Amino acid sequence: AAGVIQSPRHLIKEKRETATLKCYPIPRHDTVYWYQQGPGQDPQFLISFYEKMQSDKGSIPDRFSAQQFSDYHSELNMSSLELGDSALYFCASSLGGRGAFFGQGTRLTVV
Amino acid sequence: AQKVTQAQTEISVVEKEDVTLDCVYETRDTTYYLFWYKQPPSGELVFLIRRNSFDEQNEISGRYSWNFQKSTSSFNFTITASQVVDSAVYFCALSEAEPMNRDDKIIFGKGTRLHILP
Repeated sequence: AAGVIQSPRHLIKEKRETATLKCYPIPRHDTVYWYQQGPGQDPQFLISFYEKMQSDKGSIPDRFSAQQFSDYHSELNMSSLELGDSALYFCASSLGGRGAFFGQGTRLTVV
Repeated sequence: AQKVTQAQTEISVVEKEDVTLDCVYETRDTTYYLFWYKQPPSGELVFLIRRNSFDEQNEISGRYSWNFQKSTSSFNFTITASQVVDSAVYFCALSEAEPMNRDDKIIFGKGTRLHILP
């Protein structure tokens, strides 16, 4: 069965650079979520989209933005990267209250 | 406000022992979902179980079992006859129900790091 696809799996960026993470939800899923997991931390909710509209917002820095496109894939854009942005970024998707499925994550390292 | 508490930060047991991971949650909603995820060293979040608030039946899946008690707001997870491959961080999590059959965001506990010693 198709799963949530995230790309890239690993990304290394320098401070002050910009990064874009991509998420391809399970086909026909209408909701996408983004989470950030710092080293030794639990995943923290950043933002979600339902039918391409932002539906909820968590502790997402102003330097980050996200959107969901017409084909339902989503991108998380991070600008002016800081060392503290180094983390695992998870995308999840869901449909009709049946539970969210997580992708394998993108490991971002800021050096 | 939603909150998930996993009081055990780290647990070590010897292989073949049983181990229980505790989870206590807080929510004002009457309809909610509880989860357990496993995160091995490779980093992915492996879904283990999703339980809705109206289903208090305990569940068993192989060596895994879950005890859901609304009276104490707990959703504990037991691994029977533990194996080295069970070593991982385990997260308990909560999601409140959204209208129109949608899923709300998932709130995670801080996780319990489980070491199974050979």
